[in-house]
Amino acid sequence: DIQMTQSPSTLSASVGDRVTITCRASQSPDSWLAWFQQKPGKAPKLLISKASVLETGVPPRFSGRGSGTDFTLTITSLQPDDFATYYCQQYNHYPWTFGQGTRVEVK
Amino acid sequence: QLVQSGGEVKKPGASVKVSCRASGYRFHLYGIHWVRQAPGQGLEWMGWISTYNGNTDYEQKLQDRVIISKDTSTTTVYMELRGLRSGDTGVYYCASEGTYTALSLWGQGTIITVS
Repeated sequence: DIQMTQSPSTLSASVGDRVTITCRASQSPDSWLAWFQQKPGKAPKLLISKASVLETGVPPRFSGRGSGTDFTLTITSLQPDDFATYYCQQYNHYPWTFGQGTRVEVK
Repeated sequence: QLVQSGGEVKKPGASVKVSCRASGYRFHLYGIHWVRQAPGQGLEWMGWISTYNGNTDYEQKLQDRVIISKDTSTTTVYMELRGLRSGDTGVYYCASEGTYTALSLWGQGTIITVS
């Protein structure tokens, strides 16, 4: 199984900050890497697929990049609606696997 | 959209079958996956079914207890989990593939409590 490791586990930030979340895979998912946002009591929401493709309707302050085993999700100017938990997921090899999540909290 | 069945409370050792009805798109085009989340924990992929040909694949540690099936006539996918234990308590989501086959459409979640 491909293990996905996110860092940090918790990130304290303020509105307007630039934040970056890192996701490292134990083996390359060949860019079949997605990022999700989840708020309490809600289903996850797809933000980015194929490592860097922004889902329709997702604000452009979100961006994804990376290749091989190292990937990042960046929010260029954190907004109040962005405080949530973020997960990366590889979907190249079964079983599909998620990172453990990064909680973005108010500083 | 994907609409799931309601929450259930089950005894240890029992089985549960959760439904996920798809609408608004061509059912056979996109596979449907099941993801679960224990209270306060992260996301765990359970398995998937091809809505085209019914092929399935499961997370290895669950494959002896889980069955994912479909009813094309009602555009519904089912996830049955047997031999329930307390560690199976959580929210169960169905999700369909979309952009670049990532999970772009999610059900509202079904709470399963084993107690």
